[in-house]
Amino acid sequence: DIVMTQSPDSLAVSLGERAAINCKSSQNISYSSNNRSYLAWYQQKPEQPPKLFISWASTRESGVPDRFSGSGSETDFTLTITSLQPEDVALYYCQQYFSGWTFGQGTKVEVK
Amino acid sequence: QVQLQESGPGLVKPSETLSLTCTVSGGSISSYYWSWIRQPPGKGLEWIGYIHYSGTANYNPALRSRVSISLDTSQRQFSLRLTSVSAADTAVYYCARSKSSSSRSPFDFWGQGTPITVSS
Repeated sequence: DIVMTQSPDSLAVSLGERAAINCKSSQNISYSSNNRSYLAWYQQKPEQPPKLFISWASTRESGVPDRFSGSGSETDFTLTITSLQPEDVALYYCQQYFSGWTFGQGTKVEVK
Repeated sequence: QVQLQESGPGLVKPSETLSLTCTVSGGSISSYYWSWIRQPPGKGLEWIGYIHYSGTANYNPALRSRVSISLDTSQRQFSLRLTSVSAADTAVYYCARSKSSSSRSPFDFWGQGTPITVSS
């Protein structure tokens, strides 16, 4: 199984400031042949299902604000929120879909 | 807009079998992979397994011996059976759809989730 490890477990950021969440996979989840990384990011708010925010490591879903961006390749990935807004308070999960599907343990983003 | 809705018993006794159904509306059930995912209270997400409209199923190795997923295209439903449940199976159970016709894609549509408690 591919193990996904996120850091930090929680993050408190002032409104308008930058937040960054890291995700590391236990093996390479990128294909050089198609230059794609099989990595997604989800946002989950209380009592709601996860919502797909980013796929292919850096492709935002329709309707996701452009303050959210994803980067990385192979085993190291980052979700960045450039200017934290109150509505961004949530849990964020990374997920690999290179081999089956496994999720990171989640990162809680709060307002400082 | 695709919508998924889980239905289930809410409470299951230890050692019994958990059965859940997901009803799909608003889109085609063909060409996609349909998965079950669970989330124990206060914990992260665990993929349980999928079924493809062709009938092919694949399961999380950690649960494979206890899980089966089936598909009823005429009813636009897919179902989960988890045998010999214990308290460790207490979780919110979600059904979800893979974004593309490839098994290598994330989940773009999710049900709201149904909480399942295993207790006598």
